[in-house]
Amino acid sequence: DAGITQSPRHKVTETGTPVTLRCHQTENHRYMYWYRQDPGHGLRLIHYSYGVKDTDKGEVSDGYSVSRSKTEDFLLTLESATSSQTSVYFCAIRETGYNEQFFGPGTRLTVL
Amino acid sequence: KQEVTQIPAALSVPEGENLVLNCSFTDSAIYNLQWFRQDPGKGLTSLLLIQSSQREQTSGRLNASLDKSSGRSTLYIAASQPGDSATYLCAVRSTGANSKLTFGKGITLSVRP
Repeated sequence: DAGITQSPRHKVTETGTPVTLRCHQTENHRYMYWYRQDPGHGLRLIHYSYGVKDTDKGEVSDGYSVSRSKTEDFLLTLESATSSQTSVYFCAIRETGYNEQFFGPGTRLTVL
Repeated sequence: KQEVTQIPAALSVPEGENLVLNCSFTDSAIYNLQWFRQDPGKGLTSLLLIQSSQREQTSGRLNASLDKSSGRSTLYIAASQPGDSATYLCAVRSTGANSKLTFGKGITLSVRP
């Protein structure tokens, strides 16, 4: 398995609180991604990174920010969580080129 | 905008049957197509990656084909087993800088003993 970990694995929080999810890789891959998965919508890209300090928006980026200060870590922050952000969040990595994308185990976030 | 469709959304077959899962996409300008498996409550596991220049890829009982011109891919599972029960997703990587995967919504497969 690709060396990807996500923390925390489960989190329950209240509306209006800030939340940060962490993705850590041991593969030294260039690209890192954050997705959310919801019934009826499938997997949707939130933000991605193509290098240290290089990030860009995906299709559902509103309400989320990201940071990548080291190759191995990609952080997803919900500045003020809302109930609509209740979801399962997946991190993924990919090496440069036409290569496979590998996924982490996911974080289940519940916003009450 | 690339769109990926997987029909039907769910499929139930008896053990031992050979089966085909379909995936269609609207834009043929792709780098590659990837098939994933997802077990309930788990992450996605990569099964097969087919580059745009390839016609098929095989891994054990799995065979994936790609017809880029018609916008179709199939995942063939031979001699299905109950352990194959899972959701299967296909995703295409379109051409362009920092290209990203577009996912289908998946097919939930149940293999009955």
